[in-house]
Parts: sequence; C-alpha cells; structure tokens
Amino acid sequence: RKEVEQDPGPFNVPEGATVAFNCTYSNSASQSFFWYRQDCRKEPKLLMSVYSSGNEDGRFTAQLNRASQYISLLIRDSKLSDSATYLCVVFSNYQLIWGAGTKLIIKP
Amino acid sequence: GAVVSQHPSWVICKSGTSVKIECRSLDFQATTMFWYRQFPKQSLMLMATSNEGSKATYEQGVEKDKFLINHASLTLSTLTVTSAHPEDSSFYICSARPPVGEYSNQPQHFGDGTRLSIL
Repeated sequence: RKEVEQDPGPFNVPEGATVAFNCTYSNSASQSFFWYRQDCRKEPKLLMSVYSSGNEDGRFTAQLNRASQYISLLIRDSKLSDSATYLCVVFSNYQLIWGAGTKLIIKP
Repeated sequence: GAVVSQHPSWVICKSGTSVKIECRSLDFQATTMFWYRQFPKQSLMLMATSNEGSKATYEQGVEKDKFLINHASLTLSTLTVTSAHPEDSSFYICSARPPVGEYSNQPQHFGDGTRLSIL
C-alpha cells in the first residue's frame, strides 16, 4: 500500500459545479497535511494547509479525518482556472510524502 | 514571501553532456534543500535531500555519482546531471525548507523547475 494515495482522475466537472476528492494516508502518526496545486509542467504551489478542525479559504474547504486517515478537498463554484492537478502532501517521520495527484478538468 | 530561484528553466543538450542546475534561496537561509524529478503525468519523486556543509542524502534508486549535489552555502544548492542520456530527460524541481516557525504555513518553497531534454 502506498503511503499516500489519491485517485488520479481525471475528474471532468462542469464549470460552477462542486467537486471533492480525498487522499488517504497510511501512517497514523502523520503530523501535518497540505494540499498543493500543480499546473502542467510547473512547480507545485501550496493551496492550503489542512487543520484538524477543518479549514476554509474562499471556495476551497479542506478537512482531516484522523480516524479514517484521509484528508479531503472540496471546491465550490468551480472555475475554468481551477483546472490543475491537486497534490496531497503528508508530513510523516520528518519527511514530506507526496501523493501522485488528482487531475481536475473544469469544462465550460 | 520567501522565494527560491532555479536556473536554468530549460536545457536542451546532446547525450553525454553534463548539466548543472542551480537552486538559490533569495531572502532566507536554507540549511536543507530538496531535489525532485517529475516525469510526465507522474508525481514528484524526491531524489535527494541536500544539507548545507555535508553530503546529500539520496533516495533509494538514485545514483549519487550520476546526480551530484553540492550545497556549499546557506543559499545555494546545485544538482549536476553527469553524462546525461535521453532517459534523464525530465522536469527537475528544487525546494528549500523555510526558517523555523514558518514550516506549518509553507513546508517548502519551490523553484520554478528545470525542463531537461537530452537529445
């Protein structure tokens, strides 16, 4: 089992819709969690940290479920510019472990 | 905010050439930098962790004699791909660990990446 797993997608979603995807992690002692966004052949950019109580930043909501060992990202009112690959990152054993990413395509 | 500069952004060269990629932290000191490689449609793969003043720590399967890393100062790490071959063509990205206290907000600052194409 991979340490961090994500559905690779692609998720094809109409503009304006709400989309959510999860990321599961295997190490229950993992300490910190992040969502990054990566556009094609560009460097990843931090989208948001994921806090235990859940957190929201505009149209984006991130949640952590420690019992089931997954984090989620919800995007509301999706825009064409949201098309990208979303990478889940887990800080575990003093290392950052990257998921393979979920590709999101927003269609007009 | 903290910025990491990576240079060059794009390299095309002949097989057998050695290519040097620089990663600089512009407004903070980075004792630890990371080098990643990303093939098309795949995740970032950590190649090595670069520590200022000491030898780099390479991930399993990464040849240290092939990918030479030098972290000679607190603001500069270099990756040299020696005798590059077409299979080394990839997207190489560096990142730097930010100062203590900022980690929870931004675990790593990334360079823009270097697209390496070996003919």
